[in-house]
Amino acid sequence: IAGITQAPTSQILAAGRRMTLRCTQDMRHNAMYWYRQDLGLGLRLIHYSNTAGTTGKGEVPDGYSVSRANTDDFPLTLASAVPSQTSVYFCASRKGQGANTGELFFGEGSRLTVL
Amino acid sequence: GENVEQHPSTLSVQEGDSAVIKCTYSDSASNYFPWYKQELGKRPQLIIDIRSNVGEKKDQRIAVTLNKTAKHFSLHITETQPEDSAVYFCAAYAGGTSYGKLTFGQGTILTVHP
Repeated sequence: IAGITQAPTSQILAAGRRMTLRCTQDMRHNAMYWYRQDLGLGLRLIHYSNTAGTTGKGEVPDGYSVSRANTDDFPLTLASAVPSQTSVYFCASRKGQGANTGELFFGEGSRLTVL
Repeated sequence: GENVEQHPSTLSVQEGDSAVIKCTYSDSASNYFPWYKQELGKRPQLIIDIRSNVGEKKDQRIAVTLNKTAKHFSLHITETQPEDSAVYFCAAYAGGTSYGKLTFGQGTILTVHP
């Protein structure tokens, strides 16, 4: 079934540990995004990629890094996790780069707790 | 960069009433404005969108209006039903130097009472 897959769905980790959230889509979408969702703050953009080989910073990029080696995969890495990174993380993809390409498709989310 | 403000943060209505959620944006280069609905424990899903060359768009009980001069847009839900209860997010897609970014509002928790 075509779509966007995130892993893990839930994770608890100790502060200071390194963590990579995985995101894979099989829709051949050009643009991919990582958002974090916190109560009262909505969906805040962490990093995005308009096409394979390029990435850009969103509203809250500090403490996170991404890579886009190919069209399908867009992993998000926390180099040294801190409690303030406790959140629900959503990966999303969109067909193209321009506004005419419309809908953002979201993964099911990854709930991360940093103790 | 783009800043999207959304109001109200919570909205409670009786079944059958109308609900209106408003958003403002800061970047005059923004040209695409989608609305997403997120049910409890689920992923956000697109319900309607509007482009900057259109003032209003309707889809059954849902409509969106856009005022580019004032830089605000609104979601209107008529004849609300309990299944409309969810969190609603507006968003703005920026062009120019922020090309590729989709910025979301803070969300509105809509509760429809039977």
